[in-house]
Amino acid sequence: GQNIDQPTEMTATEGAIVQINCTYQTSGFNGLFWYQQHAGEAPTFLSYNVLDGLEEKGRFSSFLSRSKGYSYLLLKELQMKDSASYLCAVRPNYQLIWGAGTKLIIKP
Amino acid sequence: GAGVSQSPSNKVTEKGKDVELRCDPISGHTALYWYRQRLGQGLEFLIYFQGNSAPDKSGLPSDRFSAERTGESVSTLTIQRTQQEDSAVYLCASSNTRTGNHEQYFGPGTRLTVT
Repeated sequence: GQNIDQPTEMTATEGAIVQINCTYQTSGFNGLFWYQQHAGEAPTFLSYNVLDGLEEKGRFSSFLSRSKGYSYLLLKELQMKDSASYLCAVRPNYQLIWGAGTKLIIKP
Repeated sequence: GAGVSQSPSNKVTEKGKDVELRCDPISGHTALYWYRQRLGQGLEFLIYFQGNSAPDKSGLPSDRFSAERTGESVSTLTIQRTQQEDSAVYLCASSNTRTGNHEQYFGPGTRLTVT
């Protein structure tokens, strides 16, 4: 089967750093995506990893280890507007397999 | 506009009625996806189109659900004899499978409420 696991909910403090983990087991691998979804809105693209290593984009970074079936999304200098769900998705072929999402709560 | 659009944005219908949801993908995007998202839950894959063909209909929950795509553009998702458990947000996404990472771009969704 195909499976994506990520924590259901995390809490962090404004200004701090948080790491959201994602582990996957899929029949193939052609890239891993992170999306952000605010309540009541559609998901928006954050990052894409296809090779091992760290991709940095401003306050957000995403890491991939294909041998371990593991990725994380790192959010630095947290802001209240970062309160959202973060979705991990893997592309084994033509479609994406989605995790259930991690709800991130930011406290002042 | 340049993004994915969906209509209607909200739909309230009575149990047993049929509904039709529309998606206009980004021009030139060859792939189109339909998802369902219940309140507080993750994305549930329904169907995928490559061009006008649907190679994967495995996510359709029952034979009350059907979808079509024409002109490698607009797609409609039809739900017949709606049930209360069909209440959800229906999201459409498109991607360009010819180049790049196949990133999916989402529309704003249609919120369906079955009373």
